[in-house]
Amino acid sequence: NAGVMQNPRHLVRRRGQEARLRCSPMKGHSHVYWYRQLPEEGLKFMVYLQKENIIDESGMPKERFSAEFPKEGPSILRIQQVVRGDSAAYFCASSRNSVSYEQYFGPGTRLTVT
Amino acid sequence: DQQVKQNSPSLSVQEGRISILNCDYTNSMFDYFLWYKKYPAEGPTFLISISSIKDKNEDGRFTVFLNKSAKHLSLHIVPSQPGDSAVYFCAASANNAGNMLTFGGGTRLMVKP
Repeated sequence: NAGVMQNPRHLVRRRGQEARLRCSPMKGHSHVYWYRQLPEEGLKFMVYLQKENIIDESGMPKERFSAEFPKEGPSILRIQQVVRGDSAAYFCASSRNSVSYEQYFGPGTRLTVT
Repeated sequence: DQQVKQNSPSLSVQEGRISILNCDYTNSMFDYFLWYKKYPAEGPTFLISISSIKDKNEDGRFTVFLNKSAKHLSLHIVPSQPGDSAVYFCAASANNAGNMLTFGGGTRLMVKP
């Protein structure tokens, strides 16, 4: 399967715990984007990364959220000390390069904070 | 401040007829527009896109029209099929804002057999 992979598909965390969401881009893609979808809303941009670089994090909350895309391995979106308002679907997308507008999405991780 | 709006939350169409989904935007810097289809519990699937230098792009049953002066785009699906039933999102990108996509709120399309 050469598509965007995300895991886990479902994640349940208690308030105050940490959530780690992983994303492997499509083969041949070196650009990764994270989006969040709250219930009954559209997707909202969070962060854009290339290997070892954060290009645009203008959509990331200032606290508790961080993202990385290391040289080896998947991109990680990390949420520390989760709160109920973090419950959402988190989607990762990838594109081939910086001039390619089409982004291809993974199946998402549904985070539930209890 | 919603820069991309889909004013119809839902649309119901008979199989075989045309489905028209609409999208309005406010940011004149947007220069590329995309439509995605989303089934429940899945990620959005890219359908079709259009550059701001064009006013129409066609791919099989799907055609996207762009009216820059009105800041309006639409997706036409003809003929509609029951498998087209899904939520459709329009998205826009500005070349001065990197590759960030700004999404509308989505329109739920139901195609009745």
